[in-house]
Amino acid sequence: AQSVTQLDSQVPVFEEAPVELRCNYSSSVSVYLFWYVQYPNQGLQLLLKYLSGSTLVKGINGFEAEFNKSQTSFHLRKPSVHISDTAEYFCAVSLYTGGFKTIFGAGTRLFVKA
Amino acid sequence: EAEVAQSPRYKITEKSQAVAFWCDPISGHATLYWYRQILGQGPELLVQFQDESVVDDSQLPKDRFSAERLKGVDSTLKIQPAELGDSAMYLCASSLRGRSGANVLTFGAGSRLTVL
Repeated sequence: AQSVTQLDSQVPVFEEAPVELRCNYSSSVSVYLFWYVQYPNQGLQLLLKYLSGSTLVKGINGFEAEFNKSQTSFHLRKPSVHISDTAEYFCAVSLYTGGFKTIFGAGTRLFVKA
Repeated sequence: EAEVAQSPRYKITEKSQAVAFWCDPISGHATLYWYRQILGQGPELLVQFQDESVVDDSQLPKDRFSAERLKGVDSTLKIQPAELGDSAMYLCASSLRGRSGANVLTFGAGSRLTVL
């Protein structure tokens, strides 16, 4: 069965510090990988996506992620966070199971402290 | 910038009552999704439409939930009767024709349901 595991439910970090949000997936077929961000009382917005090619992808707001096929991981990183990055972050995979389906992880709440 | 419209934003209802949510996707997006997001969890797909046809409703509790997209544009998700466990955020999303898993989902702001 396909699944997405976000290893940390909450990540507290001080402003201007680096952060890494971890994501692992399991799938027997090829997948496309995404990170979405959700601010309070809002829908999800795309941060970045990996479709093919370079395993290091850059997204909006200074975030980047690296696809590691051997470790089936897609960790999200930012070298210096801001207060405004406080939000819920979701890792997602899109895979073909008779039709394309997007599965989300449980989310990681990033809390940036002053 | 084009948006996915959802209404109502908030709905409070008593158990056993009926409730309905409406979604208007981005113009030209053939694929429409309804997700349920329980507090502290990730979104779970309830139903996926390709134009007016359902392509995946395997996780939709069909004894009480129904969804339609009659003209392949806007969509309605209905719950009858509502139960306490239905309290959640209901998210609508749309994407271009979903033949490729590379399609990015654009989400609406969601409809938060509280069942008392």
